[in-house]
Amino acid sequence: SQTIHQWPATLVQPVGSPLSLECTVEGTSNPNLYWYRQAAGRGLQLLFYSVGIGQISSEVPQNLSASRPQDRQFILSSKKLLLSDSGFYLCAWSVYGRSYEQYFGPGTRLTVT
Amino acid sequence: QQQVKQSPQSLIVQKGGISIINCAYENTAFDYFPWYQQFPGKGPALLIAIRPDVSEKKEGRFTISFNKSAKQFSLHIMDSQPGDSATYFCAASMSNYGQNFVFGPGTRLSVLP
Repeated sequence: SQTIHQWPATLVQPVGSPLSLECTVEGTSNPNLYWYRQAAGRGLQLLFYSVGIGQISSEVPQNLSASRPQDRQFILSSKKLLLSDSGFYLCAWSVYGRSYEQYFGPGTRLTVT
Repeated sequence: QQQVKQSPQSLIVQKGGISIINCAYENTAFDYFPWYQQFPGKGPALLIAIRPDVSEKKEGRFTISFNKSAKQFSLHIMDSQPGDSATYFCAASMSNYGQNFVFGPGTRLSVLP
């Protein structure tokens, strides 16, 4: 069966510091991968999606970036965090060709102080 | 046109009662409508989904009702239990374009024992 991992689970970072969140998927090949952000008490906002290694599409302009160095690895980064970057970051995957059926990881709670 | 509206924002139901959450969309190109259940601090989990070619889909105590002409769909939780207390998100997607996965703002359900 497929499993999606995210780490770290929680992170507290000062403003201006860099960020690296990692997501990996097991049990499937060539998945579509997604990064979402969820503000407190709000819905989910799609940040990035990827249909293959090195292929990244951005949905929202911001100081975040994403990379996919391996087939089942998706990384969310920032060079300098802002207070507004605080939130719950979720990685999701879908079977290639079935992008409408997405499965989410456990999430990373990021607090920027 | 990409927005999915969801109501109510919060819902309190007695144990054994019926919980009803409603969603509406504008874009008639959407052809897949999932519901996600999210517990605090966890990632959303796919609960049940429907396509517009059927008017109802039932899985256990969870039922989706779909009204294509009104562009509305709803989640019914029968015999609601305290363990159902969570935030529920409706979503809409186009089968071939996972990046157009749009979430409603969520409904926080509390089931009282």
